[in-house]
Amino acid sequence: AQTVTQSQPEMSVQEAETVTLSCTYDTSESDYYLFWYKQPPSRQMILVIRQEAYKQQNATENRFSVNFQKAAKSFSLKISDSQLGDAAMYFCAYRGGLSYNTDKLIFGTGTRLQVFP
Amino acid sequence: AAGVIQSPRHLIKEKRETATLKCYPIPRHDTVYWYQQGPGQDPQFLISFYEKMQSDKGSIPDRFSAQQFSDYHSELNMSSLELGDSALYFCASSPGREGAETQYFGPGTRLLVL
Repeated sequence: AQTVTQSQPEMSVQEAETVTLSCTYDTSESDYYLFWYKQPPSRQMILVIRQEAYKQQNATENRFSVNFQKAAKSFSLKISDSQLGDAAMYFCAYRGGLSYNTDKLIFGTGTRLQVFP
Repeated sequence: AAGVIQSPRHLIKEKRETATLKCYPIPRHDTVYWYQQGPGQDPQFLISFYEKMQSDKGSIPDRFSAQQFSDYHSELNMSSLELGDSALYFCASSPGREGAETQYFGPGTRLLVL
C-alpha cells in the first residue's frame, strides 16, 4: 500500500524568507503523481503544485517549487519570499497513475506553516 | 474561473437522522470524488464517479451511499448518522481526459451531528 509521510507537524518562517516543507512517500508503482495542497483557516483545499513522476524536471509555480527526488521517494515544497497569506496547513498527496484504476488521493498528516511579520 | 460548488455549506443533524450533501463539479469535469476530513485529520477518500458510474471506493460506511446524475452533479446520502460522522466533507472534480489526475476541491460541507 502507498503511504505519505510528513514528519514536520509545524514549521515557521519570517515574512520574505524561504521555507522548505518535507514529504516522503512509499510506493511500488512506477507511474504516479504527487501534489501539494494548501488548507488555510477557511479549510478550503487549494492545489499548490503537482509533479508527474515521469518528469525529471522539478515543478515550479511562481514562489512555489518542489524538489522531487524519485529514487529517495522525497517530494519537498519550497516557498520563497514567504507572505502572511501563505500561513496554512500544507498537505502532501499521492495519486497512482491512471492505468492503476485508482482515484484516491492519499494524504500525509500535514504541516502547519506559520508566517511571522 | 468556475469552481466546485457544494451545498449546503453547513449542516446540523441529530443522531440517527439522514443527511444529503450535494456537489456540482467544475463545468466539463465528468469525474467527482468525495472525501471526509475529521477534526485535526487529513482527508480520507470515500468514493468516486466517472461518467455516472462508480469508479473507485474507499472507506465509505455502508450507511452512506452516493450517485452521480446525468448533469454530472453528485449527491452523498448519509443515513443513521452517528456522532463520529461529524466532519468536513469535500467534493472534488477532475476532467475526464487530459489533466484527469488533478483533483480540484470544493469548499466543503461542515456536518455536525448532535
